[in-house]
Amino acid sequence: QKEVEQDPGPLSVPEGAIVSLNCTYSNSAFQYFMWYRQYSRKGPELLMYTYSSGNKEDGRFTAQVDKSSKYISLFIRDSQPSDSATYLCAMTFSGSARQLTFGSGTQLTVLP
Amino acid sequence: KAGVTQTPRYLIKTRGQQVTLSCSPISGHRSVSWYQQTPGQGLQFLFEYFSETQRNKGNFPGRFSGRQFSNSRSEMNVSTLELGDSALYLCASSLVKGVYEQYFGPGTRLTVT
Repeated sequence: QKEVEQDPGPLSVPEGAIVSLNCTYSNSAFQYFMWYRQYSRKGPELLMYTYSSGNKEDGRFTAQVDKSSKYISLFIRDSQPSDSATYLCAMTFSGSARQLTFGSGTQLTVLP
Repeated sequence: KAGVTQTPRYLIKTRGQQVTLSCSPISGHRSVSWYQQTPGQGLQFLFEYFSETQRNKGNFPGRFSGRQFSNSRSEMNVSTLELGDSALYLCASSLVKGVYEQYFGPGTRLTVT
């Protein structure tokens, strides 16, 4: 079993829809959670960064972390065709090392 | 502020050869991590360097190595290339004190034939 599970999709939605992307994890030591967006043949771009449980909002994006359920989510409101990409969740421990553990990514297509 | 840069962007090598990839972090970032991305395994952590020292290493064979220079620039080397080493190699940089988010470069796409 992988430490981080993410539904690979593909997920296809109409423009303007609310998109929900999710990851579950097994290691309760994870404390820092990130969402990255990756366009085809590009490097991942950091979208959201959250610490421990709670919500964080940035424009059309909202990240939620529920540590009791080991479950994180990314919501995209008013989705646009330009949001079409692969979305990766990532997480890490506190401490000195910088080692991210990634989900497998969800491929999202927003149809005009 | 300039982002993470990686060179070269594309590389084709033959089995058995070795390759060196380069990464320049965001100005002021002193931690550099390397990841391998493949369709089958996704993004996997290779190693992290800080202050010219390897701080952490993922589950990869010894053919994969790296180093960091005093200006925080980093290189990774893969010796005796195998077909399975074909991948997108990504470099990420990070501040260190109390900050955990990492910023990725565009990657180097390595094809081994």
